[in-house]
Amino acid sequence: AQSVAQPEDQVNVAEGNPLTVKCTYSVSGNPYLFWYVQYPNRGLQFLLKYITGDNLVKGSYGFEAEFNKSQTSFHLKKPSALVSDSALYFCAGGDTGGFKTIFGAGTRLFVKA
Amino acid sequence: DAGVTQSPTHLIKTRGQQVTLRCSPKSGHDTVSWYQQALGQGPQFIFQYYEEEERQRGNFPDRFSGHQFPNYSSELNVNALLLGDSALYLCASSFSPGTGNTIYFGEGSWLTVV
Repeated sequence: AQSVAQPEDQVNVAEGNPLTVKCTYSVSGNPYLFWYVQYPNRGLQFLLKYITGDNLVKGSYGFEAEFNKSQTSFHLKKPSALVSDSALYFCAGGDTGGFKTIFGAGTRLFVKA
Repeated sequence: DAGVTQSPTHLIKTRGQQVTLRCSPKSGHDTVSWYQQALGQGPQFIFQYYEEEERQRGNFPDRFSGHQFPNYSSELNVNALLLGDSALYLCASSFSPGTGNTIYFGEGSWLTVV
């Protein structure tokens, strides 16, 4: 069965420092992988996705994610964090040819000024 | 360009009652998925509709049912409500079915069962 895991419930980083939010996946075949962000009492906003090709995917708001097939990881990164980046981040993925996109439990990011 | 819209935004129901939540997909999208997000958890897949048919279903009981209309809008129905059904219900739409297509979410419907 496919699964997506986010090993950290919370990540704390100082403004201006680089941030990383971790994600690992277990899907059959070639994975489709996504990152979404959720602000309080709001729906999820799409940040970026990996289908195939370059292992470094660039997305919205300066975020990027690195796909690593050997480690089955898809970590979200940003070179310089902003206080406004504080939110709940979800990794998601699915099998090639499937219809169900599944989500991790989420990682809360706190960026301190 | 209208995004995914959901109604109502908030509602309170009593145990045993039935609820209907509504969703209009993003312009140009024909596929609708429903998710349940309990407090402090990630979204859990309920089911997906395409061409007015349920294409795939998650691990939810038959009390959860849905419908898709010819204009691609969709409804989620939950019967015999339980306290544990209290959650944010998210509708997401995509250009077509398949996990390679990005799904875009609405703001959700907050359901409280008392």
